Amino acid sequence: SQKIEQNSEALNIQEGKTATLTCNYTNYSPAYLQWYRQDPGRGPVFLLLIRENEKEKRKERLKVTFDTTLKQSLFHITASQPADSATYLCASYSSASKIIFGSGTRLSIRP
Amino acid sequence: NAGVTQTPKFRVLKTGQSMTLLCAQDMNHEYMYWYRQDPGMGLRLIHYSVGEGTTAKGEVPDGYNVSRLKKQNFLLGLESAAPSQTSVYFCASRAPGRVYEQYFGPGTRLTVT
Repeated sequence: SQKIEQNSEALNIQEGKTATLTCNYTNYSPAYLQWYRQDPGRGPVFLLLIRENEKEKRKERLKVTFDTTLKQSLFHITASQPADSATYLCASYSSASKIIFGSGTRLSIRP
Repeated sequence: NAGVTQTPKFRVLKTGQSMTLLCAQDMNHEYMYWYRQDPGMGLRLIHYSVGEGTTAKGEVPDGYNVSRLKKQNFLLGLESAAPSQTSVYFCASRAPGRVYEQYFGPGTRLTVT
């Protein structure tokens, strides 16, 4: 079955460093991948979308890459801040109307 | 705009009771979705709708029913609640042909005892 897999272990890094989160997909070839941020007790919030023909996408301190050979997307936050602490979800559409999500990676930025 | 709203925010049910969760959106979105989120399992799609009057099954539809009588509302019903339905439920909506981002509500925390 189609799957989106993220590292379930929490990622703890020092403020100011670059955080890198990984998303791997199996058993299909998504045309695009999305990244969402979720804070405790709240719904996910859309951050970025990257299409399969785009190697890299940037938005302020965020950067996403899409490697169709490795079947992987990397999500980077540069100059990380404690306010970036949250769970980050990777997602993609399995059909025209259905989206599948990874289980998310919890990121903690320590001052 | 309020975006996507969900009621109630919290609910405790006894096994066998029924309830309806209401989702409303004021963005005129065609597509609406119901998910459940459990620890370590991410968001799983329960049912979805691609327009008023339409519904379809997602990944985990058993034990749930939905209705989309009005474009702005999407209702999720539990006819006979079970402890396995203890979860956080999220509603989402999106516009077709947009950059595909979904807008999520704040969630409903449901406990079935």
